[in-house]
Amino acid sequence: KNEVEQSPQNLTAQEGEFITINCSYSVGISALHWLQQHPGGGIVSLFMLSSGKKKHGRLIATINIQEKHSSLHITASHPRDSAVYICAVSPVGGGSQGNLIFGKGTKLSVKP
Amino acid sequence: DVKVTQSSRYLVKRTGEKVFLECVQDMDHENMFWYRQDPGLGLRLIYFSYDVKMKEKGDIPEGYSVSREKKERFSLILESASTNQTSMYLCASSLAGQAPYQPQHFGDGTRLSIL
Repeated sequence: KNEVEQSPQNLTAQEGEFITINCSYSVGISALHWLQQHPGGGIVSLFMLSSGKKKHGRLIATINIQEKHSSLHITASHPRDSAVYICAVSPVGGGSQGNLIFGKGTKLSVKP
Repeated sequence: DVKVTQSSRYLVKRTGEKVFLECVQDMDHENMFWYRQDPGLGLRLIYFSYDVKMKEKGDIPEGYSVSREKKERFSLILESASTNQTSMYLCASSLAGQAPYQPQHFGDGTRLSIL
């Protein structure tokens, strides 16, 4: 079983819809990261969180440490949000290198 | 802004060739990472380095080696390229301090095809 599971694997939405991507993990963590990868390959870090909730523009990330679960929400989705969204965790005891354990990603396609 | 630069976006090589993938970061980061990304498998760590001349194996080091002679540069070497090494390769870097809470900064990736 993978230590970081994302759902759904693929998601198609209409422009303007509210989107939720889920991430569950089975290890103790120091922090959880949400990453975005656009077609073409480059990956950018969206959020790092270890508790509660963070918001940046139309993106909201939440984490429930007790339930070992995080969600990424996109409000008023737009075609430019089409990308692969990757959940990654910094495991406890990951050392000074900051190694991450990655989920397999959720491919989001927003249709106009 | 942190800039992580990978030397090539696309690369085509032949089986048996020695292949070098170069990565340079401009923010004095201690940690550097090489990943490969394959459909359905996500990102997998090949090697990482936490200091000059220091390296550690990741999850899938077989068939690869690395070199870090300068802090800003981390090279991935395919000693004798094989077709199963056709993949997207991504380099990343991060600060060492408060490591779990530091984001990794990624390059744009190199799509490598081995024929």
